[in-house]
Amino acid sequence: EVQLVESGGGLVQPGGSLRLSCAASGFSFSTSWMTWVRQAPGKGLEWVANIKQDGSEKYYVDSVKGRFTVSRDNTKNLVYLQMNSLRAEDMAVYYCARIHSGRSAGDALDIWGQGTMVTVSS
Amino acid sequence: DVQMTQSPSSLSASVGDRVTVTCRASQSIRTYLNWYQQKPGKAPKLLIYAVSSLQSGVPSRFSGSGSGTDFTLTISSLQPEDYATYYCQQSNDTPYTFGQGTKLEIK
Repeated sequence: EVQLVESGGGLVQPGGSLRLSCAASGFSFSTSWMTWVRQAPGKGLEWVANIKQDGSEKYYVDSVKGRFTVSRDNTKNLVYLQMNSLRAEDMAVYYCARIHSGRSAGDALDIWGQGTMVTVSS
Repeated sequence: DVQMTQSPSSLSASVGDRVTVTCRASQSIRTYLNWYQQKPGKAPKLLIYAVSSLQSGVPSRFSGSGSGTDFTLTISSLQPEDYATYYCQQSNDTPYTFGQGTKLEIK
């Protein structure tokens, strides 16, 4: 079964850190770009970061640059999001997704996890 | 950054209606335009990719069109299970950006 399963969310104080994990199965993980997207409560979707198949290229939304780091382990089919210096505005459901790469595919996000909630509060 | 502007932000329609949602990009995004459906408490689901290609398993009543900066999602005959929020998204360049969403409600 094609699947992405996120974990690692929870309650953290402002300024704290959290590492999210996303386990992939049922598709060729090592040949897939991966992405993180978040959704604050009651709000729309916001792209957070992309990582290339071999981890050699990473891209971030400006609001998390210098605080968040995306990484992956192709031997374990895992992608991570290390989140440091967390702020109230980072509170959201975090989704990992696969990017179906290529012009004909629109670089669409075709496989999504169920999401993991990150709550930033004192 | 590419801004994606969706309209309307909300829409009331009846079962069987034809529904159209539009999305405008602030600059050309070629064919890197995708549409997603999201139901409450669930992850988004890809409906249409590369402007007009139907994702596997998605009913044929969904269609997409457009080019350059102006794009449209059409539902030809609204079904009860289609009540949800719809987002357009551009993948032409990072930061990827989403429209603000269109909430489709029962009339």
